[in-house]
Amino acid sequence: AQSVTQLGSHVSVSEGALVLLRCNYSSSVPPYLFWYVQYPNQGLQLLLKYTSAATLVKGINGFEAEFKKSETSFHLTKPSAHMSDAAEYFCAVRGTSGGSYIPTFGRGTSLIVHP
Amino acid sequence: KAGVTQTPRYLIKTRGQQVTLSCSPISGHRSVSWYQQTPGQGLQFLFEYFSETQRNKGNFPGRFSGRQFSNSRSEMNVSTLELGDSALYLCASSPSSGANVLTFGAGSRLTVL
Repeated sequence: AQSVTQLGSHVSVSEGALVLLRCNYSSSVPPYLFWYVQYPNQGLQLLLKYTSAATLVKGINGFEAEFKKSETSFHLTKPSAHMSDAAEYFCAVRGTSGGSYIPTFGRGTSLIVHP
Repeated sequence: KAGVTQTPRYLIKTRGQQVTLSCSPISGHRSVSWYQQTPGQGLQFLFEYFSETQRNKGNFPGRFSGRQFSNSRSEMNVSTLELGDSALYLCASSPSSGANVLTFGAGSRLTVL
């Protein structure tokens, strides 16, 4: 079975500060890991993905994430927060069920950016 | 390239009724998956269809069903609606089955009164 834990349902930062959103996973197979962002009244949009290539993954909008197998973590970072980064962020792992792959999402972290 | 289109965007139903939601995937995408998003349970996988066949189903009662047509468009149906079915229902499409990169629609927000 697979699971995703996002630490902190809300993260508050000042504009220009470092953004760090935490994600830990468990998976019975080599993981494919994803970060998605959801803006109000919209669906989810892919930020970045890890599929067993480079452990440091760069995504859109200046975000990046580092896969650490020893820590089973895939934390999302951005050096300098912008007001437009305020949104809900979801970490997801591709797991297995009945011989097929299905996604499992974390509960989400709401990023609040203060001016 | 058009994105994933979900209709209707908003709807209100009463308990006991049924509802059908529609999802048109990105052209060329053959996999469509459905998710329920609620504040209490987060984002939960409902089912996935690929080439008109259900590939997987999440842990939801039989009142939740779906289908996929030959043009890859998909519908999901919820019968005998309950208050707890109020949620944002998201569909996502992908070129292939396997829960790789998903492109989501904006969702259908269902309110059950």
